[in-house]
Amino acid sequence: QVQLVESGGGVVRPGRSLRLSCAASGFIFSSLAMHWVRQAPGKGPEWLAVISSDGSAKYYADSVKGRFTISRDDSKNTVYMQMNSLRTEDTAVYYCARDPAAIPSGECDHWGQGTLVTVSS
Amino acid sequence: DIQMTQSPSSLSASVGDRVTITCRASQTIYNYLNWYQQKPGKAPKLLIYVASNLQSGVPSRFSGSGSGTDFTLTISNLQPEDFATYYCQQSYSAPQGFAFGPGTKVDI
Repeated sequence: QVQLVESGGGVVRPGRSLRLSCAASGFIFSSLAMHWVRQAPGKGPEWLAVISSDGSAKYYADSVKGRFTISRDDSKNTVYMQMNSLRTEDTAVYYCARDPAAIPSGECDHWGQGTLVTVSS
Repeated sequence: DIQMTQSPSSLSASVGDRVTITCRASQTIYNYLNWYQQKPGKAPKLLIYVASNLQSGVPSRFSGSGSGTDFTLTISNLQPEDFATYYCQQSYSAPQGFAFGPGTKVDI
């Protein structure tokens, strides 16, 4: 069965960096696009970024453009989110999600359990 | 960017009721609209994709309709396990961001 497991969350000071990982299994990872979505406490989901199956296309939400970078390593069945210049408003649960298409369709048909990132001084 | 709105923000209903949630996009998104259900402490779950297509395993009491800028999610014969928050999401334009709506909380 499809499984997505995020890791790398934790407490970090404002201005510092963090890299999240999402390990995938149960499907042909290299064939599908992958998303990162976050959810701040008490708020709705916020889509952050998507990477196409071949890594050639990457799109970002304005709120993280220039600070966050999505990447993938198909040899490890893993998608990453490098987060730089973190702000207190980046505090959220971060989810990775699978897109059922190679070229991003926007649909997120399977989700991980999430990893909590807390940005605080 | 494309902005999504939903109404109502919350509603109360009874088991067996028919519930309708509305989602509106700030510009036409044709039929590129998805619906998700989220329960407390859990990740969102895809219910409907491309406006009216039921995701595998989702009960048939869930249905979606609409095109252009206005969309609806209907839950017929509401069940206790349908207590949740429902979000719409546009999937028309990746460069403009696959934005989610603000959500509608359904209390049973």
